[in-house]
Amino acid sequence: DIQMTQSPSSLSASVGDRVTITCRASQSISRYLHWYQQKPDKAPKLLISFASSLQTGVPSRFSGSGFGTDFTLTISSLQPEDFATYFCQESQSTSYTFGQGTKLEI
Amino acid sequence: QVQLQESGPGLVKPSETLSLTCTVSGASVSSGSYYWSWIRQPPGKGLEYIGYVYYSGSTNYNPSLKSRVTMSIDTSKNQFSLKLISVTAADTAVYYCARDKGGNHFDFWGQGTLVTVSS
Repeated sequence: DIQMTQSPSSLSASVGDRVTITCRASQSISRYLHWYQQKPDKAPKLLISFASSLQTGVPSRFSGSGFGTDFTLTISSLQPEDFATYFCQESQSTSYTFGQGTKLEI
Repeated sequence: QVQLQESGPGLVKPSETLSLTCTVSGASVSSGSYYWSWIRQPPGKGLEYIGYVYYSGSTNYNPSLKSRVTMSIDTSKNQFSLKLISVTAADTAVYYCARDKGGNHFDFWGQGTLVTVSS
């Protein structure tokens, strides 16, 4: 099984900050890595697919990078609506493992 | 706009069967471009993939749940379903249905439904 490890588990930041969240796979997953944002009591929302492809309608302050085992999600200038939990998800395997999540707090 | 809506009992007794249905609008479950999936999230915890059903009826299940899961699809009603047998308190979670685009990522999600396993 592929294990996905996110760091940090939680992060305190301020509006305007630049933040980076990391996701590490236990084995190479090429670019089969996707990022989601989840707000309280809401379903996750797809932000980025295949490591770096921004979904339609997602602000350009979000970006993703990486290949193989190490990936990052960067928010260039935090906005109030960005405070949420972020999850990565691999699709190299058919188990579609998610990371444990990173809670971004004010 | 694609919309998914979960429905089913919010309370299931231990050892019984959890049954949920997802009704899809704005897209056809008969499309060969998508896999129709279930994901769950225990309260306060992370996301766990349960599996998918394809329009043909073929399925893929998370190995950790495979022995207890059955998924099916009803193209005439544009719905797909989840059955999880022999539930325990550990199966208490918000259950989401979602559209899996091309066998990779989930681009549309239902709002989720909380299923509690308790006597």
